[in-house]
Amino acid sequence: GAVVSQHPSRVICKSGTSVKIECRSLDFQATTMFWYRQFPKQSLMLMATSNEGSKATYEQGVEKDKFLINHASLTLSTLTVTSAHPEDSSFYICSASPRTGEREKLFFGSGTQLSVL
Amino acid sequence: GDSVTQMEGPVTLSEEAFLTINCTYTATGYPSLFWYVQYPGEGLQLLLKATKADDKGSNKGFEATYRKETTSFHLEKGSVQVSDSAVYFCALDSNYQLIWGAGTKLIIKP
Repeated sequence: GAVVSQHPSRVICKSGTSVKIECRSLDFQATTMFWYRQFPKQSLMLMATSNEGSKATYEQGVEKDKFLINHASLTLSTLTVTSAHPEDSSFYICSASPRTGEREKLFFGSGTQLSVL
Repeated sequence: GDSVTQMEGPVTLSEEAFLTINCTYTATGYPSLFWYVQYPGEGLQLLLKATKADDKGSNKGFEATYRKETTSFHLEKGSVQVSDSAVYFCALDSNYQLIWGAGTKLIIKP
């Protein structure tokens, strides 16, 4: 099946620094990529949707200047958490789809656990 | 708004036991319902789905029936194996966005 690689799987950083998370579709071109975050014992929450070559669409309450998303190619999207603070500590997951709207064609990365000290 | 509630884990069972992971939802209309599974170190993957009331999704011995009257989509398996140990997520399709449950960690002991 299709594979989405997410890197790093775990990152610890100091407060005030920026962290970049990469999401790559390894064997298909991802028209659309999604970024989620999950707090312990809570639901996955969609943060933003990005289409290749255009600006990401952020969900209500998500700060676009804090969570920078770049979908510069059909196989790579990055999420940069800028000036990270302890409250940004969370589990971040990306997913990618070759076509918009096809739930069965949604492939997920293995997630990144971010811990901000 | 639409939401999904699933039983809190972890759920710990012995091999060959019967599994039920409860999932209930609130939604306007009749959304499609999904179960996703995340094995250790891997990405979420679709396990099964149902698109309308009374549909039964099934895969790898797992089953779930779309129950409109009880707004439920409980996941069941008759005999679990150690390899079923994973985190299971229930989700619904709402306005082209997936709404997720919190996930239930399943631990199967040999």
